[in-house]
Amino acid sequence: GDSVTQMEGPVTLSEEAFLTINCTYTATGYPSLFWYVQYPGEGLQLLLKATKADDKGSNKGFEATYRKETTSFHLEKGSVQVSDSAVYFCALSTKGTDKLIFGTGTRLQVFP
Amino acid sequence: GAGVSQTPSNKVTEKGKYVELRCDPISGHTALYWYRQSLGQGPEFLIYFQGTGAADDSGLPNDRFFAVRPEGSVSTLKIQRTERGDSAVYLCASSLRDGRRVPYGYTFGSGTRLTVV
Repeated sequence: GDSVTQMEGPVTLSEEAFLTINCTYTATGYPSLFWYVQYPGEGLQLLLKATKADDKGSNKGFEATYRKETTSFHLEKGSVQVSDSAVYFCALSTKGTDKLIFGTGTRLQVFP
Repeated sequence: GAGVSQTPSNKVTEKGKYVELRCDPISGHTALYWYRQSLGQGPEFLIYFQGTGAADDSGLPNDRFFAVRPEGSVSTLKIQRTERGDSAVYLCASSLRDGRRVPYGYTFGSGTRLTVV
């Protein structure tokens, strides 16, 4: 069945470091891909999305490119801040369904 | 309302008891979803409503779980004969579907943390 695999955390970085969180997927057809973020004490928020191959989603300095050839949607940010500390979830949705399939989440900890 | 509201925020119940979890979606959102998030895991799909009807209930784990949305707005997730394994955060989300078959991006509530003792 469809699935999402994320790198295990926690990812620990110093402020202004470069961030990559890996995400790969398995799906029938061509899914839409999402990154959600969960800040401490808050609900899940959509961070960015891409709906077709080679699309780049971006928001708040984060970017992810839909790579069909490698079935990946890695999250990147050039310079992280302490306020980016959160749990990040990669997710997919297959066309024809409305449900999201999530990865297990990656905790990011940024220290000043 | 301004966001998706879930009540209660925390619920502790004894094994074998019945619980109801409430979700109040964003006004005007026709689609409503329930997910369950166990500790250290990503959310898992339970059920999806379009209007009043359950369009997809394939994620409900067994017949102890049931959800309703009688007027196409507020939804209630009902769990009978609770078990310790039901302990999790239950998330509700809503979306304004724009006619395409691709989710536009959900708005999630903060969840109800259910603990079965």
